[in-house]
Amino acid sequence: DAGVIQSPRHEVTEMGQEVTLRCKPISGHDYLFWYRQTMMRGLELLIYFNNNVPIDDSGMPEDRFSAKMPNASFSTLKIQPSEPRDSAVYFCASSSLGNSGGPRGNEQFFGPGTRLTVL
Amino acid sequence: LAKTTQPISMDSYEGQEVNITCSHNNIATNDYITWYQQFPSQGPRFIIQGYKTKVTNEVASLFIPADRKSSTLSLPRVSLSDTAVYYCLVGGGYNFNKFYFGSGTKLNVKP
Repeated sequence: DAGVIQSPRHEVTEMGQEVTLRCKPISGHDYLFWYRQTMMRGLELLIYFNNNVPIDDSGMPEDRFSAKMPNASFSTLKIQPSEPRDSAVYFCASSSLGNSGGPRGNEQFFGPGTRLTVL
Repeated sequence: LAKTTQPISMDSYEGQEVNITCSHNNIATNDYITWYQQFPSQGPRFIIQGYKTKVTNEVASLFIPADRKSSTLSLPRVSLSDTAVYYCLVGGGYNFNKFYFGSGTKLNVKP
């Protein structure tokens, strides 16, 4: 398996523009997570899905952020309109409940991240 | 979510054993303790997970006292390539849960 795939790897945009980040989880995984990492706030969980259904979006900073998972192999995180304070590295991760309770039950597999810069 | 407290940074030399301790006073009964490693410009990577006592795998050992209010990640004979940020997390278990990563511990291994 190629692991979690994210695109684009780098995105530079101007304030006010719409940004869409994409993620392809590992095949067979039923959990998908979106994280944001900044120097100031560290690694924050934004939202996670189980079987394509959003379970907890309490980490989504505001209404400008939205996430979808139309099928088991694809998810998007959209920011509209983008602001300079949204500049961060955004990670997607996936996991399988099938391992829950085992020695690697809490293993999440992270993608390489998308570095977003909003000017 | 149970939060964790770790040292911000640690220094070590190649070949030494490194122990990173994490405090998690509010850990819940069904919470597991999980450690991740993150290199610059990469996503975090799972290292080890445990519930109580001691767990060992090919990479590290995890020591958890009976009260489970703290845990210690032990890295044997570190090398320069072990320089990274190490995160201690609590949560998960039989009902998959979200995690609070915190700030982690920046381990700097010197030659």
